[in-house]
Amino acid sequence: SYELTQPPSVSVSPGQTARITCSGDALPKKFAYWYQQKSGQAPVLVIYEDSERPSGIPERFSGSSSGTMATLTISGAQVEDEADYYCYSTDSSDNHRVFGGGTKLTVL
Amino acid sequence: QLQLQESGPGLVKPSETLSLTCTVSGGSISSSNYYWGWVRQPPGKGLEWIGSIFYDGSTSYSPSLKSRVTISVDTSKNQFSLKLRSVTAADTAMYYCARQTLLARTDYFDPWGQGALVTVSS
Repeated sequence: SYELTQPPSVSVSPGQTARITCSGDALPKKFAYWYQQKSGQAPVLVIYEDSERPSGIPERFSGSSSGTMATLTISGAQVEDEADYYCYSTDSSDNHRVFGGGTKLTVL
Repeated sequence: QLQLQESGPGLVKPSETLSLTCTVSGGSISSSNYYWGWVRQPPGKGLEWIGSIFYDGSTSYSPSLKSRVTISVDTSKNQFSLKLRSVTAADTAMYYCARQTLLARTDYFDPWGQGALVTVSS
C-alpha cells in the first residue's frame, strides 16, 4: 500500500507562518492536494495541483512541492485557521488514493 | 452551486450491509468531466478513500475494501450509492460523498457532502 506522512501537530502564534509537510514516494510524479477540516465539518479543498488555490481560499494559503515532499504554507496564520489539515495524492499507478494522517494546526 | 447530500440509516448491526445514498443537486451526475466518490472518517481518525464511480457505471475501489464494497449510480435520480457488506465496529465512521475531478494528472475531491454518521452496533 501507499502512505503519505504528515506531522501530527503544528503550533504557531497568530501572525506567524505555519508550514505543514507531507511526504510520499510518488510525489515527484503526482500532484498533492490539501484539505482543511474544522471541527464537526466536512473537509474543504484549500490547495490543488501542488500550488493552485481554489476561488474563495485566502491568499495566505499556498502550496509547494519538491521531490518527495509537499508543503502547505499559511502565511500570517489566524485563529480561524485552527483545523486539521490533510494532504491527498495517489500512488504512481493510481491504484491507491490516499490521505495523509492529518496535522492538527493550533494557532494561539 | 453543486451540493451533495448523504442519506441512509445511522445504525447498522454487525455482519449486515451498510447502505448510503448521495443525492447531487445543482449539477448533473452524468457530466463526463467528473467521477463521484465516497470517503469515510472513523471518529477521531483520518480520512480514507472507499471508492469512486463514473456516470457510465465504471468503478474504482480501495484495494483494502474492494471485497466488501459496491458503488452504483442512478442517473435518472442524480444519485449514487454505497453498499458495504459484512460490517464490524471498525466500519463505524462519518461517510462523505464528494465529486471527484479526474483528468490526466489531476485527481481530487471537491465539493463534499456534509457527511452521514453510521454506527455499527447490535
